[in-house]
Amino acid sequence: AQSVTQLDSQVPVFEEAPVELRCNYSSSVSVYLFWYVQYPNQGLQLLLKYLSGSTLVESINGFEAEFNKSQTSFHLRKPSVHISDTAEYFCAVSRNTGGFKTIFGAGTRLFVKA
Amino acid sequence: EAGVVQSPRYKIIEKKQPVAFWCNPISGHNTLYWYRQNLGQGPELLIRYENEEAVDDSQLPKDRFSAERLKGVDSTLKIQPAELGDSAVYLCASSNNRGGTYNEQFFGPGTRLTVL
Repeated sequence: AQSVTQLDSQVPVFEEAPVELRCNYSSSVSVYLFWYVQYPNQGLQLLLKYLSGSTLVESINGFEAEFNKSQTSFHLRKPSVHISDTAEYFCAVSRNTGGFKTIFGAGTRLFVKA
Repeated sequence: EAGVVQSPRYKIIEKKQPVAFWCNPISGHNTLYWYRQNLGQGPELLIRYENEEAVDDSQLPKDRFSAERLKGVDSTLKIQPAELGDSAVYLCASSNNRGGTYNEQFFGPGTRLTVL
């Protein structure tokens, strides 16, 4: 079985500062890894994903995450955040066979202050 | 292209009453998911459909929850009777998983249920 741990429930940060949202997972099989973002009163949107290949994956709005197999981590980073990045961020893991059942972490609330 | 549509967006009921949620997935998506998201938590899968077939309902509390996807398109999730602990956001998602390869899940806005 897979599990996901997001180490911080809330991360307050000032605008234009760098941020890292931490995610660790456990699994006995090969997995896919994801970060989703949820804005207030909206559904989840896929931010970025790791399926295979390069361990560093990037999103179109400046976020990146690196798959570290030895540390079983998939931390999300952005070098300079904006007010509009304020949202809930969910790390998720899915085994890469048989239906791709996705397990979500509890979420990290990113709060960007002016 | 229209996204995943859910209705109603909000529902307030008293305990022991029945309630139903409706989801229309993205056109052409064969896989449909229902998730429950409790306050301060990530979504948890309740049931997954491949076309009309429920292929994973292991987390669905079958004593009070039921779901259907009769024509392999839209789906309904029902709770009867509702309990206080059912208060949550119910999310529907869909994806195109034909061919056994991974494809992105697209989420609807959810239905926020409050049981009084």
